[in-house]
Amino acid sequence: DQQVKQNSPSLSVQEGRISILNCDYTNSMFDYFLWYKKYPAEGPTFLISISSIKDKNEDGRFTVFLNKSAKHLSLHIVPSQPGDSAVYFCAANPREAGTALIFGKGTTLSVSS
Amino acid sequence: NAGVMQNPRHLVRRRGQEARLRCSPMKGHSHVYWYRQLPEEGLKFMVYLQKENIIDESGMPKERFSAEFPKEGPSILRIQQVVRGDSAAYFCASSPRTGGSYNEQFFGPGTRLTVL
Repeated sequence: DQQVKQNSPSLSVQEGRISILNCDYTNSMFDYFLWYKKYPAEGPTFLISISSIKDKNEDGRFTVFLNKSAKHLSLHIVPSQPGDSAVYFCAANPREAGTALIFGKGTTLSVSS
Repeated sequence: NAGVMQNPRHLVRRRGQEARLRCSPMKGHSHVYWYRQLPEEGLKFMVYLQKENIIDESGMPKERFSAEFPKEGPSILRIQQVVRGDSAAYFCASSPRTGGSYNEQFFGPGTRLTVL
């Protein structure tokens, strides 16, 4: 049973518009969430994270929102750029540092110019 | 390049052969994780190691798979008697010593294993 779900396999957005990637989780014991970006034939690259004690974290064009009551988080990219086209993975960590990340299946974002 | 290094990047094996995947963590990182990504899937945790210790191997198949992280040298993921279902991308990640707050994991470029 998947504990971290990304229900949209793909998303297409025009350059300059907002991209919203969604992620749902089932385990209320998760205390840290992360977003990774992955290009073909490369490893995932860390983008942004959020602790469960917060509901928002912003870093430049990237903002992650956490709704604990709904067990839902989202990544907003504004404005979207063609270079943002990649696979985005949502990941969760159930305890403090040193334990495994649980990944969703990923959402492929395509940003057209 | 101070990033996580993995080699080989591509590995082709015939059924029944052994596969050895190597991972050198980032400088100063003492924690290594191995993940596997099957086609159309997310990354799945396999094993977590510190120097000379396996901390968590709950994601490792019980047979044919083993991992080590010796005092000197890279971490090794070893797959004996490979089968076609082992074909996947294997990613290594490292993180620095834990210090109370979360330490993100830095990933290598992966090894793509193909079993013929």
